[in-house]
Amino acid sequence: AQKITQTQPGMFVQEKEAVTLDCTYDTSDQSYGLFWYKQPSSGEMIFLIYQGSYDEQNATEGRYSLNFQKARKSANLVISASQLGDSAMYFCAMREGLTGRRALTFGSGTRLQVQP
Amino acid sequence: KAGVTQTPRYLIKTRGQQVTLSCSPISGHRSVSWYQQTPGQGLQFLFEYFSETQRNKGNFPGRFSGRQFSNSRSEMNVSTLELGDSALYLCASSLASGTGGRDNEKLFFGSGTQLSVL
Repeated sequence: AQKITQTQPGMFVQEKEAVTLDCTYDTSDQSYGLFWYKQPSSGEMIFLIYQGSYDEQNATEGRYSLNFQKARKSANLVISASQLGDSAMYFCAMREGLTGRRALTFGSGTRLQVQP
Repeated sequence: KAGVTQTPRYLIKTRGQQVTLSCSPISGHRSVSWYQQTPGQGLQFLFEYFSETQRNKGNFPGRFSGRQFSNSRSEMNVSTLELGDSALYLCASSLASGTGGRDNEKLFFGSGTQLSVL
């Protein structure tokens, strides 16, 4: 079974609107971390947001928020007020186990296109 | 603060050759990890180094190796290159201070090295 599932290969959103990118995960560990990265066509992986499994509140970083539903094992990314520069690939990733290990498992990604 | 720096940005090699990629982490970051990205397999973990020691390794053949220096800079080496090694190689650094906290867990990536094997 896939550990990280991103079911939306592509998404379109109008500029200034909010958009939700879906991510579900599978782990038996109690301690884990969830990440979202943005990858524009230049190739760089840009860190967006991090949520630890023990964090009680949903993480927020500027226009990005992570809708963390532990029981459902979902970690959806919400981008508010989309901008043209948000057009990129978005990857959800998970780190399992002890904090000392930093191996991430990535999903297949969602390509977001923001339309003017 | 400078980000993660990877050199070179692009590389073209032929089958059978070997290649060395370099990664300079964010100042103060002690953990460096490497990932391979291909259209077919997506992003896959290669290995992680912390304090000059390999702490974790992905499922790649022994042709893939790496090391970390005392200043936390890391190099990755691929010997006897195969066509399937063509990929974007990404390096990531993290604080890994051992004190816990959210900042400790964040991984920051460089722009990658695009390797083409002909």
